[in-house]
Amino acid sequence: GQNIDQPTEMTATEGAIVQINCTYQTSGFNGLFWYQQHAGEAPTFLSYNVLDGLEEKGRFSSFLSRSKGYSYLLLKELQMKDSASYLCVIMDSNYQLIWGAGTKLIIKP
Amino acid sequence: GAVVSQHPSRVICKSGTSVKIECRSLDFQATTMFWYRQFPKQSLMLMATSNEGSKATYEQGVEKDKFLINHASLTLSTLTVTSAHPEDSSFYICSATEGDKDYNEQFFGPGTRLTVL
Repeated sequence: GQNIDQPTEMTATEGAIVQINCTYQTSGFNGLFWYQQHAGEAPTFLSYNVLDGLEEKGRFSSFLSRSKGYSYLLLKELQMKDSASYLCVIMDSNYQLIWGAGTKLIIKP
Repeated sequence: GAVVSQHPSRVICKSGTSVKIECRSLDFQATTMFWYRQFPKQSLMLMATSNEGSKATYEQGVEKDKFLINHASLTLSTLTVTSAHPEDSSFYICSATEGDKDYNEQFFGPGTRLTVL
């Protein structure tokens, strides 16, 4: 079966760093995406990893280990506007997206 | 970046009526468009995939006669919810891919909130 696991909810402090983990088991792998979704809005693209390693983009970084079926999204210098759900998404062998349930990140002052 | 629009953003209708939702790619040609629905506090669920000029491919459990999808051009896809019922109330989101990138990044529309009374 196909399975994506990520924590349901996390809390962090403004200005701090937070790491959101994602583990997956899917039929084939053609890349892993992280999306951000604010309540009531459509998801927005954050990052894409298809090879092992770390991809850095400003305050956000995403890491992938294909052998471990593991990824994380690292958010630095947290801002209140970073309060949102973060979705781990796998593209399977048929190029279909499989969505995780998302991690709700709460930022406190 | 690529922009996808949806219309309307919100719609309230009576039970038994049909509602059409439009999804447009504004500055690129979308070879493939996807329709999702999202219930509160749940992940996006893919309903169907449509390619321009061909019939949509529906996910298991999605009634194709109830959710009519027309991908008439490379910039427009429509989802018609026929004979809507209160259980169809949901957030409907479309996305589109340009088709010329390695990973076919999906660009999402802003979503349409449907409320069926």
